[in-house]
Amino acid sequence: GNSVTQMEGPVTLSEEAFLTINCTYTATGYPSLFWYVQYPGEGLQLLLKATKADDKGSNKGFEATYRKETTSFHLEKGSVQVSDSAVYFCALSGANQAGTALIFGKGTTLSVSS
Amino acid sequence: SQTIHQWPATLVQPVGSPLSLECTVEGTSNPNLYWYRQAAGRGLQLLFYSVGIGQISSEVPQNLSASRPQDRQFILSSKKLLLSDSGFYLCAWSERNEQFFGPGTRLTVL
Repeated sequence: GNSVTQMEGPVTLSEEAFLTINCTYTATGYPSLFWYVQYPGEGLQLLLKATKADDKGSNKGFEATYRKETTSFHLEKGSVQVSDSAVYFCALSGANQAGTALIFGKGTTLSVSS
Repeated sequence: SQTIHQWPATLVQPVGSPLSLECTVEGTSNPNLYWYRQAAGRGLQLLFYSVGIGQISSEVPQNLSASRPQDRQFILSSKKLLLSDSGFYLCAWSERNEQFFGPGTRLTVL
């Protein structure tokens, strides 16, 4: 079945460091791929998405490229800020019996210190 | 614009007590609705989804149930809570392969 695997955290970085959070997926067909962010005590917010191979999603300085050949959607940011501290979830969506329900990775906690 | 509400925001309940969490969506009609649970260190797990009034599908066997009495209302319930029901419950609706999440309810069962 479809699944998402994220690198385990926590990831601890200093401000202005480069961030990579790895995400790989297993899916039949051509899913859409997402990164969601969850700030402490809040629900999930969509960070970026890509709907087909080679698409690059970007938002707030974060980027991720849909790589079909490596079944990956790694999240990157060139210079992190303290305000980026949150839990990041990789997810996929495709036609399935649960409508457009997403399949999530387990989440990666990012902690950025000044 | 669409908004999604959940209440209560936090809840502390004793083992064996009943549960009712409510989710409502505004600004859209006939949305697909979802309940997820986020347990510590375990990511998000889809519990229920609904494609219309009275239509509920369960993804995993559990101590919980869901109902959709109105188009934009989705309720998560339990007759007797277990310790393992503790977690962060998120309601979501979807449009064009995107999902939009509510603020969540933090449930602690003691």
